[in-house]
Amino acid sequence: GDSVTQMEGPVTLSEEAFLTINCTYTATGYPSLFWYVQYPGEGLQLLLKATKADDKGSNKGFEATYRKETTSFHLEKGSVQVSDSAVYFCALSDQGSGYSTLTFGKGTMLLVSP
Amino acid sequence: DAGVIQSPRHEVTEMGQEVTLRCKPISGHNSLFWYRQTMMRGLELLIYFNNNVPIDDSGMPEDRFSAKMPNASFSTLKIQPSEPRDSAVYFCASRPGLAGDYEQYFGPGTRLTVT
Repeated sequence: GDSVTQMEGPVTLSEEAFLTINCTYTATGYPSLFWYVQYPGEGLQLLLKATKADDKGSNKGFEATYRKETTSFHLEKGSVQVSDSAVYFCALSDQGSGYSTLTFGKGTMLLVSP
Repeated sequence: DAGVIQSPRHEVTEMGQEVTLRCKPISGHNSLFWYRQTMMRGLELLIYFNNNVPIDDSGMPEDRFSAKMPNASFSTLKIQPSEPRDSAVYFCASRPGLAGDYEQYFGPGTRLTVT
């Protein structure tokens, strides 16, 4: 079945450092790819998405490019802030049988210190 | 606009007791999802509904778990009897429909502790 693999955390960075969180996927079809973010004590919220190969999703300074050849969707940000501390989930949509559900990676915790 | 509403936010119960978690999806959303989040297993999809009808409950771990959606604005997840290994954060999410790439909107979760 479909699966998503993320780098294990926590990722610990200083403010203004460059961030990369790796995500690779396995899927039988042509999934859409997502990054969700979970702040402490809250539910997940969509950060960005890409629906086809070579698409770049971006939001709040975060970017990720859908790479079909490497089955990857790595999350990047040029300069992180303390407020970016959260857990980040990579996910893909499975549209088998016409229904779209999400398969999530295990999440990567990001800790940014001042 | 109100987002997905879950209650209670925290629940502490003793092993063997019945637990009922509640969810109110965003108005107009036709699809509803229940997830469980633990450190060991991450985020697991338990069951999802479309137009109040359960579509896939293959993620429900045991017969002790059941979910209902009696109308478009309310769903429950029940555990009877509860066990310590059911301790987790349970999320409800909704979206406009099941086809396409609509975003899923998550509630704040219910943290369940079974002692």
